[in-house]
Amino acid sequence: AQKITQTQPGMFVQEKEAVTLDCTYDTSDPSYGLFWYKQPSSGEMIFLIYQGSYDQQNATEGRYSLNFQKARKSANLVISASQLGDSAMYFCAMREGGAGGTSYGKLTFGQGTILTVHP
Amino acid sequence: DAGVIQSPRHEVTEMGQEVTLRCKPISGHDYLFWYRQTMMRGLELLIYFNNNVPIDDSGMPEDRFSAKMPNASFSTLKIQPSEPRDSAVYFCASSPRVGTGRAGELFFGEGSRLTVL
Repeated sequence: AQKITQTQPGMFVQEKEAVTLDCTYDTSDPSYGLFWYKQPSSGEMIFLIYQGSYDQQNATEGRYSLNFQKARKSANLVISASQLGDSAMYFCAMREGGAGGTSYGKLTFGQGTILTVHP
Repeated sequence: DAGVIQSPRHEVTEMGQEVTLRCKPISGHDYLFWYRQTMMRGLELLIYFNNNVPIDDSGMPEDRFSAKMPNASFSTLKIQPSEPRDSAVYFCASSPRVGTGRAGELFFGEGSRLTVL
């Protein structure tokens, strides 16, 4: 079974509008971490936001927020006020196990969603 | 601070040749990872090291692939002999020790794009 599922191969959004990129995950481990990375056309991987499984509040980093619904095992990325520079591939990833566990730092990635921001 | 440094950025080689990809992690990071990205399979973890010791190499495709980390500031991924299906972008990433930063955050290099003809 896929551990990370991103069901939207591509998304389009108008500049200055908000967009939600979907991510669902599958794990039986009570301790885990969820990440979102951005990969622009230049190819580098850029960290955006992190949510720990025990975090009570949804993570936010500037225009990025993570809509964490633990019971539904979803960790959607919300980008507010989209900019042309947000056009990129976006990856959801999961670390299973807590910090210090043997899987520390070992991330499983989804297939990604290509976001295109229109002017 | 310098990020993760990978070389070469681009490599074009012929089938059967040996390929060596190099990585310098961020100073002070205890973990080093090699990932491969292809259109078909996405991002796959090949191997990772903790304090220079290989911890999990279950993602290494076959014996043609080998990785070493002789010291805390250098790692290599070697493919010998290379095949066209090895064409991909190979990322090196490092992560700080447990208890620092965001647990498990990976800091990626810019990747090495390999083309095997």
